[in-house]
Amino acid sequence: EVKLVESGGGLVQPGRSLKLSCAASGFSFNDYWMGWVRQAPGKGLEWIGEINQDSSTINYTPSLKDKFTISRDNAQNTLYLQMSKLGSEDTAIYYCARITTVATIDYWGQGVMVTVSS
Amino acid sequence: DVVLTQTPVSLSVTLGDQASISCRSSQSLEYSDGYTYLEWYLQKPGQSPQLLIYEVSNRFSGVPDRFIGSGSGTDFTLKISRVEPEDLGVYYCFQATHDPLTFGSGTKLEIK
Repeated sequence: EVKLVESGGGLVQPGRSLKLSCAASGFSFNDYWMGWVRQAPGKGLEWIGEINQDSSTINYTPSLKDKFTISRDNAQNTLYLQMSKLGSEDTAIYYCARITTVATIDYWGQGVMVTVSS
Repeated sequence: DVVLTQTPVSLSVTLGDQASISCRSSQSLEYSDGYTYLEWYLQKPGQSPQLLIYEVSNRFSGVPDRFIGSGSGTDFTLKISRVEPEDLGVYYCFQATHDPLTFGSGTKLEIK
C-alpha cells in the first residue's frame, strides 16, 4: 500500500525556519517525481514545487522560490521541504504528493499543519 | 504563470441531477508532445484531494463513469451526472503543462 506521511509541522515564530519531511512507503520512491502542495485555512490549493527522481531537476512556484527548498533522500525514501523566513502567509496545511509519468498526483499525504505566529 | 479560472465558485445540486464545472486557462494547455495535461481533483471535507480525471478526459482508477471530463486548448469541463452524496466537496482543475504548475481556485459542490 502506498503511503505518504508528512511530519515536522507545528507552531513556529515569524522569521524562523522549519523543515518538513514526507516518509514514503509501499512503492519504489526513486522511480517517481515528488511534489509539495499547500492549502491555507479555508483557501484553495497552491502548488509549491516538484523534484525529479535524482534531484537533478527541481521546479518551484516563482513566488516561493526564495524561501522554500525541496530535496529528497532516496536511500531514506524521504522527501523534504525546507522553509525559511516564514510569515503568517505561510500558515497552511502542507501536502506531500507523488507525481506519475503522466503528470498526475495519484497519491497525497494526509497533510501537516504549519502555523506561523508569535 | 497559467491562470485557471473555474466557474461557478459554488454549485448546489439535487441528488440525481447533473453538475457541470468549467475551467478556463489563460494559455493553451496542449503540450509539445500532443498531450493536454489538465486534471481534475476532488477534495472532500476534511480529506486530502483525490485525483478524478487526467489528460482532460481519462478517469483515474476507481473513479465512477459518472465523472466525465472534456475540452481542449483553453476550455475544459467536468460533468458529474447523477450526483450522489459522496460527490460533495471542492473540485479543482490543475494544469501540468506549463511551469509553474497551477490549480484553479476551486468549485464547491453542495447537495440541496
